[in-house]
Amino acid sequence: AQKITQTQPGMFVQEKEAVTLDCTYDTSDPSYGLFWYKQPSSGEMIFLIYQGSYDQQNATEGRYSLNFQKARKSANLVISASQLGDSAMYFCAMREVNFGNEKLTFGTGTRLTIIP
Amino acid sequence: DTGVSQDPRHKITKRGQNVTFRCDPISEHNRLYWYRQTLGQGPEFLTYFQNEAQLEKSRLLSDRFSAERPKGSFSTLEIQRTEQGDSAMYLCASSSQGVPETQYFGPGTRLLVL
Repeated sequence: AQKITQTQPGMFVQEKEAVTLDCTYDTSDPSYGLFWYKQPSSGEMIFLIYQGSYDQQNATEGRYSLNFQKARKSANLVISASQLGDSAMYFCAMREVNFGNEKLTFGTGTRLTIIP
Repeated sequence: DTGVSQDPRHKITKRGQNVTFRCDPISEHNRLYWYRQTLGQGPEFLTYFQNEAQLEKSRLLSDRFSAERPKGSFSTLEIQRTEQGDSAMYLCASSSQGVPETQYFGPGTRLLVL
């Protein structure tokens, strides 16, 4: 079964609008971390934001915020006031802490295109 | 801090040849990871080191693949007898233990096997 599911293969958003990228996850580990990365066409994975499973508040980093709904097992990324430079692939990833897994498990990504 | 670096950035090789990639992690990071990313997919875990010890290997890492981190600093990933299916982006990441343990990625090495 997919551990990380990103159901939006591509999205087109007008510049300056907010955008929500969906991510659902599946784990039985009570302790886990959720990450979002941005991958421009150059290929480098750029860390954006982190949410721990025990964090009480939704994570925020500048224009990025994470809408964490633990009961629904969703961790959607919200980008406010989108910019042309936000056009890229976005990946949601999970690390399961207690299962001895140090690896990240990634979804298939969402290609975001910002329209001027 | 220069971040994670990888060399080469691009590699074209013929089927059957051996290739070696290098990764230099962020200097204070004791953990180093290799991932492989094929077109249209997210990165897939290959292997991970804590200091010089290789602690986990994916089943994706066939016996043609070997990774080392001899002094706990830089790491190399070697692919012997390359096949066309090895064509992918090979990503290296590093992290230091703690919460959160964020993995920081390098720019990747794009491999094309002809």
